Amino acid sequence: GAVVSQHPSWVICKSGTSVKIECRSLDFQATTMFWYRQFPKQSLMLMATSNEGSKATYEQGVEKDKFLINHASLTLSTLTVTSAHPEDSSFYICSALGRIYNEQFFGPGTRLTVL
Amino acid sequence: RKEVEQDPGPFNVPEGATVAFNCTYSNSASQSFFWYRQDCRKEPKLLMSVYSSGNEDGRFTAQLNRASQYISLLIRDSKLSDSATYLCVVNPAGYGQNFVFGPGTRLSVLP
Repeated sequence: GAVVSQHPSWVICKSGTSVKIECRSLDFQATTMFWYRQFPKQSLMLMATSNEGSKATYEQGVEKDKFLINHASLTLSTLTVTSAHPEDSSFYICSALGRIYNEQFFGPGTRLTVL
Repeated sequence: RKEVEQDPGPFNVPEGATVAFNCTYSNSASQSFFWYRQDCRKEPKLLMSVYSSGNEDGRFTAQLNRASQYISLLIRDSKLSDSATYLCVVNPAGYGQNFVFGPGTRLSVLP
């Protein structure tokens, strides 16, 4: 399968700071990437769909001004958690949509802890 | 009703056992279906796509029943390394659209 990387793999920050997470498709171009969040012992919840060159589409209940998404190239999407609070602590996972089959390839995830 | 529902689990089985997971989905227009596995604190990894005719990959067999809106995964001769959470995933709206994940069923294969 295709390779998707995320950076950083984990981050600890103080409340009120902003954190940027990068998602890269390493061996293919992804016009569509997805951002998910997973709380402990819960399933993945889609936050937003990121399309290259256009504004992201956010799911209901996800604040677009708090979770800024930029998909400036076919291999990179970024998620910025602005003014992070402890309740934003979670496992953030991105995925890239395959070009041929309707499969999603997941990055390794970023574990965010806000103190 | 949730869009995708799965057996609540956990399933604790001995090595070599056969185990089956069930999944139902609510949107009859759903297009694609997958099984992913997720290890603790890791990202989901695609296990197999599920086709209308059913498909098999080694010890794993997936089946889809569109009329009943039901998907299954059968694991034969289970190994310790099969211990993970198995996620039923449905694509309700076609290519390029988001996936809907089931809550997962946790499997522990015991020595």
